[in-house]
Amino acid sequence: KQEVTQIPAALSVPEGENLVLNCSFTDSAIYNLQWFRQDPGKGLTSLLLIQSSQREQTSGRLNASLDKSSGRSTLYIAASQPGDSATYLCAPLTYNTDKLIFGTGTRLQVFP
Amino acid sequence: DAGVTQSPTHLIKTRGQQVTLRCSPISGHKSVSWYQQVLGQGPQFIFQYYEKEERGRGNFPDRFSARQFPNYSSELNVNALLLGDSALYLCASSPTETPSPLHFGNGTRLTVT
Repeated sequence: KQEVTQIPAALSVPEGENLVLNCSFTDSAIYNLQWFRQDPGKGLTSLLLIQSSQREQTSGRLNASLDKSSGRSTLYIAASQPGDSATYLCAPLTYNTDKLIFGTGTRLQVFP
Repeated sequence: DAGVTQSPTHLIKTRGQQVTLRCSPISGHKSVSWYQQVLGQGPQFIFQYYEKEERGRGNFPDRFSARQFPNYSSELNVNALLLGDSALYLCASSPTETPSPLHFGNGTRLTVT
């Protein structure tokens, strides 16, 4: 049974810092892993999708890495801005399943 | 192009009542998934439908049911509402049967009193 853990649970940083959000999962037989952003009371916005055969995926100031064998993914946010304040969720898609399994997320606050 | 749309955005119901939530997927997407998100938790999988057939069901009681229509839109029904059913209900669509990548709507906030 896939279980996902995200560390830290919450993070508060000044604007401009480079950030690392961690995601670990127990079943390494994954098809891919998706990172999402969620603003309070809103739905999920997809940030990055990284395939099991990939090591990294980049979009703007965001970079996601994947180490499937060790069951870890990292989301790197460069030069953080107040607009980055949100909850960040990771979700692997395990082979032969029909669903994403989510962690409880990292709640990020970036202050000016 | 419009993203995933859900209606209504907010809903207040009383214990024991029934509720229907609606979802329209992205144009061209044939798969719809439903998730429940309780405050402070990650989303939990309820159902996946593809081509009008149920392809997956999460660990939810039979009070939860869903269906998908020929135009690929979907409804989620919850009967005999309990206080614990209060949550954000999220609909997501994907182009094929594989639920990836998932594109989510803004959800329906259900409050049961």
